[in-house]
Amino acid sequence: GEDVEQSLFLSVREGDSSVINCTYTDSSSTYLYWYKQEPGAGLQLLTYIFSNMDMKQDQRLTVLLNKKDKHLSLRIADTQTGDSAIYFCAESVTSGTYKYIFGTGTRLKVLA
Amino acid sequence: ETGVTQSPTHLIKTRGQQVTLRCSSQSGHNTVSWYQQALGQGPQFIFQYYREEENGRGNFPPRFSGLQFPNYSSELNVNALELDDSALYLCASSYSSGGPSNEQFFGPGTRLTVL
Repeated sequence: GEDVEQSLFLSVREGDSSVINCTYTDSSSTYLYWYKQEPGAGLQLLTYIFSNMDMKQDQRLTVLLNKKDKHLSLRIADTQTGDSAIYFCAESVTSGTYKYIFGTGTRLKVLA
Repeated sequence: ETGVTQSPTHLIKTRGQQVTLRCSSQSGHNTVSWYQQALGQGPQFIFQYYREEENGRGNFPPRFSGLQFPNYSSELNVNALELDDSALYLCASSYSSGGPSNEQFFGPGTRLTVL
């Protein structure tokens, strides 16, 4: 089956680290992505990881992938109020036909 | 370089009607994907077109169909509209398909309301 799940809400204080978690079920995923969606705006790709990698760091963002447990996380260091948004994880699957599967989204609220 | 644009911004239809949504890809992009995002949900992949051919499809019925034109602009057509089709419809363009370096650039979406 194809399912990507995330917790709905996360609230952190400005300057703290945020960790957003995601689990997926399709083991044939090739790439996993994190997108950010601000109110009234389109989706913005933040970062991605290839399915044979364990970790990827990109400035304040760290992506961890546990392929055995099908668990993906996004850590945002020194979270700022401008990071408040909805974060979606997504996987690309190429088993026969090509498709993207998005999670339900985690709403991150950063408190000043 | 212009970004991805979609038209119209908002649309109201009644059950049973047909609708066509339009997307203009970012300059130089040859791949377009369409998504349906219901309120409070993540985007659901409808299909992808690469060089005018359907390249992948999600779990949507055949009444959802698409076209990609030689200039890489695209249309999403939905026939026999149902109330559950009310959603934000997003298109995303990229160059080539599949790889992560081919970043998808999303348009602002078309909000469709079916009464």
